[in-house]
Amino acid sequence: AQSVTQPDIHITVSEGASLELRCNYSYGATPYLFWYVQSPGQGLQLLLKYFSGDTLVQGIKGFEAEFKRSQSSFNLRKPSVHWSDAAEYFCAVGVQGSSNTGKLIFGQGTTLQVKP
Amino acid sequence: KAGVTQTPRYLIKTRGQQVTLSCSPISGHRSVSWYQQTPGQGLQFLFEYFSETQRNKGNFPGRFSGRQFSNSRSEMNVSTLELGDSALYLCASSLPGVAKNIQYFGAGTRLSVL
Repeated sequence: AQSVTQPDIHITVSEGASLELRCNYSYGATPYLFWYVQSPGQGLQLLLKYFSGDTLVQGIKGFEAEFKRSQSSFNLRKPSVHWSDAAEYFCAVGVQGSSNTGKLIFGQGTTLQVKP
Repeated sequence: KAGVTQTPRYLIKTRGQQVTLSCSPISGHRSVSWYQQTPGQGLQFLFEYFSETQRNKGNFPGRFSGRQFSNSRSEMNVSTLELGDSALYLCASSLPGVAKNIQYFGAGTRLSVL
C-alpha cells in the first residue's frame, strides 16, 4: 500500500539557518510527489511538485526538493529560513491509476518553528 | 482567477445532527476531492468527484457522502454527527489529465461537534 512518512514531527531552526525536511514514500511505480505548506487556520498551499525528469525541483518561496529513487525520498530544503516560513509542511504522493484519480496520500506533517 | 472557495468557514453542530459543506472549485477545474484533517489521523482522503461522478472513495463510513453538480461545485454531507467528526474539512480542485494530480486547496471548513 502507498504511504508517506515524515520522520520529524517538529523542527526548530534559527532564522537564516538552512532547513531540510525529510519525506520517505512507499509506492510501486514512479510517484507523483508534492510538498504543501499550511499556515494556522488556512488550507494547503502547493510549494512544489515532481512528476518526472530532473530530480531537483524548484518551488515557490525559495524552496527546493530532491527526488531520490534509490532512497525513496523527497526531502524539502531551503538555504536560509525566514520567520514567515513557520508553518506545517506536508509531503504527499499522488495515487495513479487508469483513471488518474485525484487522490493524495499525505504524511503526518512536520511543524517548523523559527527562532529569531 | 479566484481560488477554491469553501463555505461556511466554521460550523458548530451537536451529536446526531447532519451537516452540509460546500466547495466551489477554481474556474475550469472539473475534479473535486475532499479531505478530513484531524490532529490524530492527519489528512485523510474522503472522496473525489469528476463530471458529477464519484471516482474514488476513502475509508470512511457511509455517513459521509458527497455530490457534484454540473457546474463542478461540490457538497459533502455528514449525517448523524459524532464527536469524532470534529475536524477541518478541506476541498481541493484540479484539472483532468496528468495535471489532475495538482490539487489546489480551499481554506477549509472547521466543524465542531458538541
